[in-house]
Amino acid sequence: EPEVTQTPSHQVTQMGQEVILRCVPISNHLYFYWYRQILGQKVEFLVSFYNNEISEKSEIFDDQFSVERPDGSNFTLKIRSTKLEDSAMYFCASRVGQLNEKLFFGSGTQLSVL
Amino acid sequence: DAKTTQPTSMDCAEGRAANLPCNHSTISGNEYVYWYRQIHSQGPQYIIHGLKNNETNEMASLIITEDRKSSTLILPHATLRDTAVYYCIVRVANTGTASKLTFGTGTRLQVTL
Repeated sequence: EPEVTQTPSHQVTQMGQEVILRCVPISNHLYFYWYRQILGQKVEFLVSFYNNEISEKSEIFDDQFSVERPDGSNFTLKIRSTKLEDSAMYFCASRVGQLNEKLFFGSGTQLSVL
Repeated sequence: DAKTTQPTSMDCAEGRAANLPCNHSTISGNEYVYWYRQIHSQGPQYIIHGLKNNETNEMASLIITEDRKSSTLILPHATLRDTAVYYCIVRVANTGTASKLTFGTGTRLQVTL
């Protein structure tokens, strides 16, 4: 079965630094998402992306966050100035199209902010 | 989206059927029931979804009561690899480009020897 690929699997950064989390969605998928999960807590929606623009974003997704699909295959999440509370597992997800509700998730990037 | 209620945890012996219940008494007529699972902090994995008819695929069966206020996910022959957190999510299908999923706390299923 096709997979959503995320890199790196682990990222350690200093508070205040910028990080970019990378995702390669499944090739024919059109809708893209970022979720995050703080240790021991729920999986939380961050942002959805379609047709090269943000469709919806949560309250968590403030001005420090941005997403981009720079080259038609990669989908990135940038955190401009990381905070301790950004430490979490970040999951990328994608799906084919509006009528297909099956969401495919990547295996995640564990971000640790020190 | 309608709220769901699931038991916090359940145990199941390997080889037996695991029956995971979900209450969604405020479900609306156009809301579907989705099941995902998350194995040890991996990304969530889609299992099955349905509107009002029972559904079956290679992973599981979904039984939805006639009044649609509750459902049961059935793993017919649980294995150790089915140990995971199982999420029951109720939402309207095809709500536009966003179509996000809202995860609750789920049921932690422990399959034992």
